Amino acid sequence: GAGVSQSPSNKVTEKGKDVELRCDPISGHTALYWYRQSLGQGLEFLIYFQGNSAPDKSGLPSDRFSAERTGGSVSTLTIQRTQQEDSAVYLCASSLGAQPIYEQYFGPGTRLTVT
Amino acid sequence: QKEVEQDPGPLSVPEGAIVSLNCTYSNSAFQYFMWYRQYSRKGPELLMYTYSSGNKEDGRFTAQVDKSSKYISLFIRDSQPSDSATYLCAFAGGTSYGKLTFGQGTILTVHP
Repeated sequence: GAGVSQSPSNKVTEKGKDVELRCDPISGHTALYWYRQSLGQGLEFLIYFQGNSAPDKSGLPSDRFSAERTGGSVSTLTIQRTQQEDSAVYLCASSLGAQPIYEQYFGPGTRLTVT
Repeated sequence: QKEVEQDPGPLSVPEGAIVSLNCTYSNSAFQYFMWYRQYSRKGPELLMYTYSSGNKEDGRFTAQVDKSSKYISLFIRDSQPSDSATYLCAFAGGTSYGKLTFGQGTILTVHP
């Protein structure tokens, strides 16, 4: 079956512009996660959604970052007023539930470059 | 102190070698221990998963957890060029619930 898909695969933007990154999780997966992977910081958690519960935003690095998940499916991560330090690969993952026993399936990521 | 420490390598070994990858962690609440493999320009994929101390074997791969020392390892036997990838240890549990805390990743190259 189809895995997690993300778009765009690459995004180059100018400093100060806003960007939107999209994630399509595996059908039927109620939990959705966003992570960021950069050379200096490794892979770090940003935010997760579980069903209709309030999202856990504890990993968002600043208020320029926000995310939403519409209809319990597709999610969009928005970065406002991008900075050069936002350059990274943004990975989305989904799982059957938010408990650690459920495997997280990752998408291929969106490579963001801020010039 | 970082919650997770993982030697980033890079590690280069000949085909057929035994590879040992390691991580240490400081958060006692971690109860779930995972190894992910990530090929270049791809997302990570789960390789091994365990929640108890001891060894778990799957084919050429063995995951080892020592909770008392807060130390986990992944061993790869008879390594193949197709094993060349970045290996990430990951942890979950306690208040972090489903969200994963990753190590920096170790870059492994197996040359023919």
